[in-house]
Amino acid sequence: EDQVTQSPEALRLQEGESSSLNCSYTVSGLRGLFWYRQDPGKGPEFLFTLYSAGEEKEKERLKATLTKKESFLHITAPKPEDSATYLCAVLTQGGGSQGNLIFGKGTKLSVKP
Amino acid sequence: GAGVSQSPRYKVAKRGQDVALRCDPISGHVSLFWYQQALGQGPEFLTYFQNEAQLDKSGLPSDRFFAERPEGSVSTLKIQRTQQEDSAVYLCASSKRARVVQGDKNIQYFGAGTRLSVL
Repeated sequence: EDQVTQSPEALRLQEGESSSLNCSYTVSGLRGLFWYRQDPGKGPEFLFTLYSAGEEKEKERLKATLTKKESFLHITAPKPEDSATYLCAVLTQGGGSQGNLIFGKGTKLSVKP
Repeated sequence: GAGVSQSPRYKVAKRGQDVALRCDPISGHVSLFWYQQALGQGPEFLTYFQNEAQLDKSGLPSDRFFAERPEGSVSTLKIQRTQQEDSAVYLCASSKRARVVQGDKNIQYFGAGTRLSVL
């Protein structure tokens, strides 16, 4: 069964304190791994997509990496505005040709000034 | 429109009532998805449309849930005889492609969701 596990569930950082969020996955065939950011009362906002082991992508203070078993979201020198829930999802072979996303439960990040 | 639009943003229903939730996808997006997000959880897949065809409804929790996209654009998720366990945020997402290809065309863009509370 396809499964996505994120850790930690919650993370509190001081402004400027770098850290990493983990997403481990078990899927029959990875067709893509996605990172989203979700603010309270809003829908998930797309951050990155990764397709193959060794791939990396960066955007401002965020960097996503992918191995055959897990992905990391590295946050460098975070700011309070980075506070949000970060969701990881894998694209599976669903009905039809598109497939659907299987999400982890998310990591709630709080960055204190 | 610029993004995925969902309405209403909030819906309060008495147990046993029927509700209808609307999704306006990004113009030109072929694929449309519905997800259910319980408090403190990640979204869970409900159903998928490619244009007007519902190709996957494996995530619908019961036969009280019904979705349609008759003209291949706007979609409606209907829940009949609502129960307290139906309380959740219902998210709609759309993506440009019909088939999964390597690259960014597989990105699913989400609306803000409809928060359903069943009393």
